[in-house]
Amino acid sequence: GQQVMQIPQYQHVQEGEDFTTYCNSSTTLSNIQWYKQRPGGHPVFLIQLVKSGEVKKQKRLTFQFGEAKKNSSLHITATQTTDVGTYFCAGRDNYGQNFVFGPGTRLSVLP
Amino acid sequence: SQTIHQWPATLVQPVGSPLSLECTVEGTSNPNLYWYRQAAGRGLQLLFYSVGIGQISSEVPQNLSASRPQDRQFILSSKKLLLSDSGFYLCAFDRADYNEQFFGPGTRLTVL
Repeated sequence: GQQVMQIPQYQHVQEGEDFTTYCNSSTTLSNIQWYKQRPGGHPVFLIQLVKSGEVKKQKRLTFQFGEAKKNSSLHITATQTTDVGTYFCAGRDNYGQNFVFGPGTRLSVLP
Repeated sequence: SQTIHQWPATLVQPVGSPLSLECTVEGTSNPNLYWYRQAAGRGLQLLFYSVGIGQISSEVPQNLSASRPQDRQFILSSKKLLLSDSGFYLCAFDRADYNEQFFGPGTRLTVL
């Protein structure tokens, strides 16, 4: 079945440093979504990417969808303590049937 | 606006006791409904999903079951809880006309 992997599992950065998490799917995706879960909270939708090679920005966050539509990345520029949390990618396969979450990358930001 | 409710927020239950977690959605109709479990510090494990009343698909074999008695109500149950059932249970919904999943606040279950 479809598998979605994320690396790294954990990342500790100093406030102001950049951060990147990578998401890889075993199958081609129709779209990919990113979610953020604050400690003790529930996942909250950040963005959806649909097109091959698509790049979207939200303030300090940059999201990319790979050309082959099997991988994606989330880059945060100049992290802040408010960025702390776990970032999940979630991919839907080309048949639109399966929606699979990656295991997440937990980000810690040291002030 | 669309909202999703879950209760209770926290629950402590002894091993072997029954379980019933409820999730309701407001502000939308014909949603797809999902139950996820998240172990401490881990990812989201899809347990059940439903595309309509009475239609339940199970993703993993276990001692849990789900039911959808109404269009916007999703219930997670167990007849006898195991220690391994402890975790953070999240209900979510989406619709065919948009892909984003909306999550409820979750229920933190501890089985002792």
